[in-house]
Amino acid sequence: QQPVQSPQAVILREGEDAVINCSSSKALYSVHWYRQKHGEAPVFLMILLKGGEQKGHEKISASFNEKKQQSSLYLTASQLSYSGTYFCGTPVNSDMRFGAGTRLTVKP
Amino acid sequence: NAGVTQTPKFQVLKTGQSMTLQCAQDMNHEYMSWYRQDPGMGLRLIHYSVGAGITDQGEVPNGYNVSRSTTEDFPLRLLSAAPSQTSVYFCASSYSGPTNYGYTFGSGTRLTVV
Repeated sequence: QQPVQSPQAVILREGEDAVINCSSSKALYSVHWYRQKHGEAPVFLMILLKGGEQKGHEKISASFNEKKQQSSLYLTASQLSYSGTYFCGTPVNSDMRFGAGTRLTVKP
Repeated sequence: NAGVTQTPKFQVLKTGQSMTLQCAQDMNHEYMSWYRQDPGMGLRLIHYSVGAGITDQGEVPNGYNVSRSTTEDFPLRLLSAAPSQTSVYFCASSYSGPTNYGYTFGSGTRLTVV
């Protein structure tokens, strides 16, 4: 089952904060977050593990909601380089399903 | 520091032709996978491998074949290309599966079937 991301798109000014959500119909054991710039490969940002531990980017953080059926990615003090499409991925055994993506645009 | 290397970067095929997309990684990762990316649909898993000699199907395996004879290489074969296989293909690897480890993606192969 593919996770559902929201919003589909967001436009920010440099320095503003953003939150991107990733929802699943089942409890999540871990959630991956990736950023993809146009014409490039997705780049790993971080993984949120079931105990709440995070491995990855220093200026980006994530959390689970109480039932662990939703993860939120927090981008603080956004920079122009944060622009791109953000994907969450939810592992199911050795399989991983990705959301359809959230397009983030940061303007000067 | 090559990471994950995919070849070719671009390819045009005629309907019915076959070809192999190459993927190699030099990080000694056990887990490798192939995804296709279509506009508005995110990344969909085609096949994956948890180690040399072990492969399994993902979400959209029809029309594709894989094998994993070495830890480093994981080629994807298109048996008889169809226009519906026009897509961008990404190979990814991780140390040991997606539950605890992030993926490293290759730069992608943009395939057009005419």
